[in-house]
Amino acid sequence: DGGITQSPKYLFRKEGQNVTLSCEQNLNHDAMYWYRQDPGQGLRLIYYSQIVNDFQKGDLAEGYSVSREKKESFPLTVTSAQKNPTAFYLCACNLGEAGELFFGEGSRLTVL
Amino acid sequence: GQNIDQPTEMTATEGAIVQINCTYQTSGFNGLFWYQQHAGEAPTFLSYNVLDGLEEKGRFSSFLSRSKGYSYLLLKELQMKDSASYLCAVTDSNYQLIWGAGTKLIIKP
Repeated sequence: DGGITQSPKYLFRKEGQNVTLSCEQNLNHDAMYWYRQDPGQGLRLIYYSQIVNDFQKGDLAEGYSVSREKKESFPLTVTSAQKNPTAFYLCACNLGEAGELFFGEGSRLTVL
Repeated sequence: GQNIDQPTEMTATEGAIVQINCTYQTSGFNGLFWYQQHAGEAPTFLSYNVLDGLEEKGRFSSFLSRSKGYSYLLLKELQMKDSASYLCAVTDSNYQLIWGAGTKLIIKP
C-alpha cells in the first residue's frame, strides 16, 4: 500500500545530541513537508521540499536540517542547536485535488 | 499577523450534534481545511472549502463564509470514536498553510 513511513515512533535524546528522524514515502510525490506539533499550538512548518535536491525553510527551521537526495526520502535532523526539541514531529505529502496533506504516523521526540 | 481561532475544548453527548467554529484572519485566502486528529496519532483530512456554503460528507459537514472569515465543522449523530481534536487550517495568498491550535472534542455516553 502507498504511504508515508516515519521512524522511530518514539525517540529519547540527551541534551547536546543530534538525532535524525526518517521519513520515507512510496507515493511518488514530489512535495514533502516536516511539521512540529506542540500542545496547545497549531502545526508549525519546519522545512519543505518541492523537488529532489531542493528544500526551503519554514517558520521554524532554526536548529533543524534536512536533505532530499532521493524522491522517496526526506530525513530531518534535530541538532543540538534546537533548544527545546521535545515535540511531536510529522512528515507529510500533499496528495489530493485540493492539496490536502497526507501525514505519516509521526515521531515523538523527548529530550531527557 | 495571521491568526486562526478555535475553541480549546468542547463536550457533547453521544448521538447529538456539535458545531466547532473557526475564525481566521490571514493574508489572503485560498481555501480552508478541517482535519481530525486522535490522541497520539497524525491528523487525517476531513474536508475542504474554498467557496462560500456548506459541503456535506456523510455525518460531517463544513461551512464557509469568506466575507466573515468564518467556518464551522458540524458533526451529526455523534459516536464515541469522534472523540478527537479537530484542526482548522487556512491557505493564505502565498499558499502557505496556517493552522489553528485545534479543538479537543470530548464525547460522553
